Amino acid sequence: DAKTTQPPSMDCAEGRAANLPCNHSTISGNEYVYWYRQIHSQGPQYIIHGLKNNETNEMASLIITEDRKSSTLILPHATLRDTAVYYCIVRSGSNSGYALNFGKGTSLLVTP
Amino acid sequence: ETGVTQTPRHLVMGMTNKKSLKCEQHLGHNAMYWYKQSAKKPLELMFVYNFKEQTENNSVPSRFSPECPNSSHLFLHLHTLQPEDSALYLCASSRDGDEQYFGPGTRLTVT
Repeated sequence: DAKTTQPPSMDCAEGRAANLPCNHSTISGNEYVYWYRQIHSQGPQYIIHGLKNNETNEMASLIITEDRKSSTLILPHATLRDTAVYYCIVRSGSNSGYALNFGKGTSLLVTP
Repeated sequence: ETGVTQTPRHLVMGMTNKKSLKCEQHLGHNAMYWYKQSAKKPLELMFVYNFKEQTENNSVPSRFSPECPNSSHLFLHLHTLQPEDSALYLCASSRDGDEQYFGPGTRLTVT
């Protein structure tokens, strides 16, 4: 699976949009971009994933560049409960092995 | 609630003890996982089971012994652990390689 690069930490004011970037320049054509987050001392939580089209769900939006070498996770109106470590993970489709490779992620701090 | 439960939530054990961690998923998934998260380190995959069969063992020491009696239950048997094995142990499940759902974890302290 391709390697990802994320900033170690970011701050965001409550109520503003949080834009978390991820670089995955070695991504191959059949690899998906997944985002998870982990609130302190809890299990990771799935947020969203995509292949090449932008995706939106009730939690967030995922914007993938046309060349697929980078993506941005957008939390449209961040709340204090969104403070967590956010992990960008690139992996192949369902038939290629199930393991997730969690890196160090981005520690997002949402401030009042 | 993610549909994945883990017991106990906290465990303190001596190095000569034998204990077991339990994970149960109520999601109808076929794959189950054990991860280890040490302080200030990324999650490390330990084991993967698919339809009760172990498909991945990420070079885990034999003092950790997994057991998967059916697709809904996963155990991690612990014996003669070391203090450096103290960590958060997380269980997850998925339908094939789709998104994984994690339990709350067991915080293990080895004294």
